Amino acid sequence: QKEVEQNSGPLSVPEGAIASLNCTYSDRGSQSFFWYRQYSGKSPELIMFIYSNGDKEDGRFTAQLNKASQYVSLLIRDSQPSDSATYLCAVSSSGGSYIPTFGRGTSLIVHP
Amino acid sequence: EAQVTQNPRYLITVTGKKLTVTCSQNMNHEYMSWYRQDPGLGLRQIYYSMNVEVTDKGDVPEGYKVSRKEKRNFPLILESPSPNQTSLYFCASSPPGQGSVIQYFGAGTRLSVL
Repeated sequence: QKEVEQNSGPLSVPEGAIASLNCTYSDRGSQSFFWYRQYSGKSPELIMFIYSNGDKEDGRFTAQLNKASQYVSLLIRDSQPSDSATYLCAVSSSGGSYIPTFGRGTSLIVHP
Repeated sequence: EAQVTQNPRYLITVTGKKLTVTCSQNMNHEYMSWYRQDPGLGLRQIYYSMNVEVTDKGDVPEGYKVSRKEKRNFPLILESPSPNQTSLYFCASSPPGQGSVIQYFGAGTRLSVL
């Protein structure tokens, strides 16, 4: 059973701080890693994906991947109240598998 | 506007009454899939389709059927709904070559089975 683990939170950070969201996965064959943001009552939206070890930056977001430790994280710099949402980590394997496994999500609250 | 459209958005039904949730995308995407989202369990894939007439089971296919007769449409069918299928359902699509990089989700269908 492939598992993707996230701390459910809530993670509470002050406005302007760095929010750090973490995700671990069990399948060593995993090749693709995604972060989705989901506002309450809304559908998930893809914000980052990463395939290679290291960091990938996009605006205020940085995804970090460490395959040896089976760990992927999302950093949100200069957090804003509008970043308050649930963040879903998703992982899929190579070899034609199109069934991504989602974590249960981490709730982030950015307070003014 | 590029979008994935699900209908209905909300549905209350009774056990055993067949229902269909429609999903349509206007982006010419090959890959489409259905998910259910339950509190504490996260998003779980029900079925997916790589292209017209090509469908396969996801993690939780029991009690569901799908069809892909046209590229744009991917309906989800519950032949005999049961209360444990009460959930929030999402349809999603992905551009060609993106595999499981789901980039577009529909707005969701909240289903209650009494």
